[in-house]
Amino acid sequence: QVQLVQSGAEVKKPGASVKVSCKASGYTFTSYHMHWVRQAPGQGLEWMAIINPSGGSTSYAQKFQGRITMTRDTSTSTVYLDLSSLRSEDTAVYYCASSSGWYSYFDYWGQGTLVTVSS
Amino acid sequence: QSVLTQPPSASGTPGQRVAISCSGSSSNIGGNSVNWYQRLPGTAPKLLIYSNNQRPSGVPDRFSGSKSGTSASLAISGLQSEDEADYYCAAWDDSLNGWVFGGGTKLTVL
Repeated sequence: QVQLVQSGAEVKKPGASVKVSCKASGYTFTSYHMHWVRQAPGQGLEWMAIINPSGGSTSYAQKFQGRITMTRDTSTSTVYLDLSSLRSEDTAVYYCASSSGWYSYFDYWGQGTLVTVSS
Repeated sequence: QSVLTQPPSASGTPGQRVAISCSGSSSNIGGNSVNWYQRLPGTAPKLLIYSNNQRPSGVPDRFSGSKSGTSASLAISGLQSEDEADYYCAAWDDSLNGWVFGGGTKLTVL
């Protein structure tokens, strides 16, 4: 069965960077796109980025342009989220989610990774 | 401030029917499909409805979705205590060139 397993919780200081991973299993890694979606405390879901694991093409939400990078490693079926210049407002649970295409619904989700930004 | 607008809360008693609205614009709901996600307390979101009104396998037919113009709606009939969760609508936005979500609706089963 499809499984998306994310890395563990992180605590970072303002201005630092964080790298979160999401390892996929149970399907052909390059056949499904992957997204990052986050949820800050008391807030709704917020889409951040998408990657096509086949060619590596990416697209980012305008809000994060310049400080976000999404990459993939096809040898380990893993996608990564790099977020830099962290501020307190980046404290959130970060989820990876898969979709069959760029414009398709998110059918499987990772368990979430809590990133806390605090001095 | 979310691009899609949902009521922050909804409630109903067991067995009742509840509807949750999701309002957008021509660049998102008006021109693209709407998907709904359910987030039970302490868990990751789960796909509930896709392409406006389609249920993934395993989702009870008590859940249904509809879309008209720039608005969409999720209906839950025969409300059960396990339906208590947060519900989110989502759609692709052609102007923002990205996915947008509603702010979420917290459903309480009284």
